[in-house]
Amino acid sequence: AQSVTQLGSHVSVSEGALVLLRCNYSSSVPPYLFWYVQYPNQGLQLLLKYTSAATLVKGINGFEAEFKKSETSFHLTKPSAHMSDAAEYFCAVSDRGSGTYKYIFGTGTRLKVLA
Amino acid sequence: EPEVTQTPSHQVTQMGQEVILRCVPISNHLYFYWYRQILGQKVEFLVSFYNNEISEKSEIFDDQFSVERPDGSNFTLKIRSTKLEDSAMYFCASSGGARTSPYGYTFGSGTRLTVV
Repeated sequence: AQSVTQLGSHVSVSEGALVLLRCNYSSSVPPYLFWYVQYPNQGLQLLLKYTSAATLVKGINGFEAEFKKSETSFHLTKPSAHMSDAAEYFCAVSDRGSGTYKYIFGTGTRLKVLA
Repeated sequence: EPEVTQTPSHQVTQMGQEVILRCVPISNHLYFYWYRQILGQKVEFLVSFYNNEISEKSEIFDDQFSVERPDGSNFTLKIRSTKLEDSAMYFCASSGGARTSPYGYTFGSGTRLTVV
C-alpha cells in the first residue's frame, strides 16, 4: 500500500536560509510524486511533480525536489527562504498502476520563516 | 488558466441536514475527485469518478455520501445526514484531458463545511 511520511510537522528557518522539507514514500511500483503548498484558508497549489523524467524537478517560486529511489525520498528544497514561503506543505504520492489516479497525502509540514 | 470552481466557499449546516457541495471541473477533463481535510489534519481521498461512475472510494465514503455529475459540467458531493465529524474543508479536483495526464490534478479552492 502506498504511504507518505513527512518528517517534521513544523519547520522554522530564518529568512534567506535554506529550506529543506522531507518526504519519504512507500510504493509497490515506481510512483508519481507531488509537492503542494497551502496558504492559510486557501486551496492546494501544485509546486512541482515527479513523473519519471528528470530526477531533479524544478517547480514554482524557486522550489525544487530530487527523487532518490534508493532512499525512497522526494525532499523539497529552496536555497533562500522568503517570508512569503510561510505556509503548509504537503507531499503526495500516486501509484501509476492504480488506475484511479488517487493521491495519498502526507500529514503536512508547516513552514515558518523568521525575520 | 483553466480553474476548478467550487461553491459555496463556506457552508454552515445543522447536524442531520443534507448538504450538497458543488464543483465545476475543467471542461475537457475526464476524471473527478473529492478530498477532504479536517482542520489541522492531512488531506484525505474520498472518491474518484470516471465515465459516469465511481472508480474508487475510501472507507470514509460511506452510505451517507454520494456523488453525481448531473449535467456534464457540474460534479456534486452530497452528504445525506450530516454529522459533527463531517466538518472539514472539501476539495474537488479534476484531471486527464486530451493533452493532460490523469495524474495532473487541478484542485478547486475548497468548500469549508461546518456542521453545528
